[in-house]
Amino acid sequence: GAGVSQSPRYKVAKRGQDVALRCDPISGHVSLFWYQQALGQGPEFLTYFQNEAQLDKSGLPSDRFFAERPEGSVSTLKIQRTQQEDSAVYLCASSSAGGAHEQYFGPGTRLTVT
Amino acid sequence: QKEVEQNSGPLSVPEGAIASLNCTYSDRGSQSFFWYRQYSGKSPELIMSIYSNGDKEDGRFTAQLNKASQYVSLLIRDSQPSDSATYLCAVNTGNQFYFGTGTSLTVIP
Repeated sequence: GAGVSQSPRYKVAKRGQDVALRCDPISGHVSLFWYQQALGQGPEFLTYFQNEAQLDKSGLPSDRFFAERPEGSVSTLKIQRTQQEDSAVYLCASSSAGGAHEQYFGPGTRLTVT
Repeated sequence: QKEVEQNSGPLSVPEGAIASLNCTYSDRGSQSFFWYRQYSGKSPELIMSIYSNGDKEDGRFTAQLNKASQYVSLLIRDSQPSDSATYLCAVNTGNQFYFGTGTSLTVIP
């Protein structure tokens, strides 16, 4: 079956621009996670949704970062007024159950802020 | 102290040997433990999950969990060049997953 998909795969933004990153989870997966991965590091947790409810957003690095999942399926991660330190790969993962269960990752969006 | 610690490597083993990857975690309340493989430029791919103390085997892979020592390991038997990748340990605590920085493995033909 189809896995997790993300778009765009690559995004170049000028500093100060807003960007929106999209994630389509595996059909039927109730849980959705966003991570940020810097080069040479492991993924860092950003936020977690169970259906449409955002249950944990403690990993969002600043109030410039915002995530939503209004219908409990597709999710969007928005970054306002991008900064160079936002350059990273943004990974989305979904799980059929809660946070304690196996997560499956999408291909990621590589964001470069110039 | 980081939530999850891994030796960054690089770890090199000859083809056919056993590769041993280790991970420690800080939160005794952690419930679930996972190993992911990540090829360069790709996203993490789930290899194994383990939830209770002891060993869990899946093909050439064996995950080992010791909650008393807060230690998780992954053994790869009969290592193949295609196993060359970064291996990420992940630990679930509450709603969050914490990842280590990964161990780079190279299998030499």
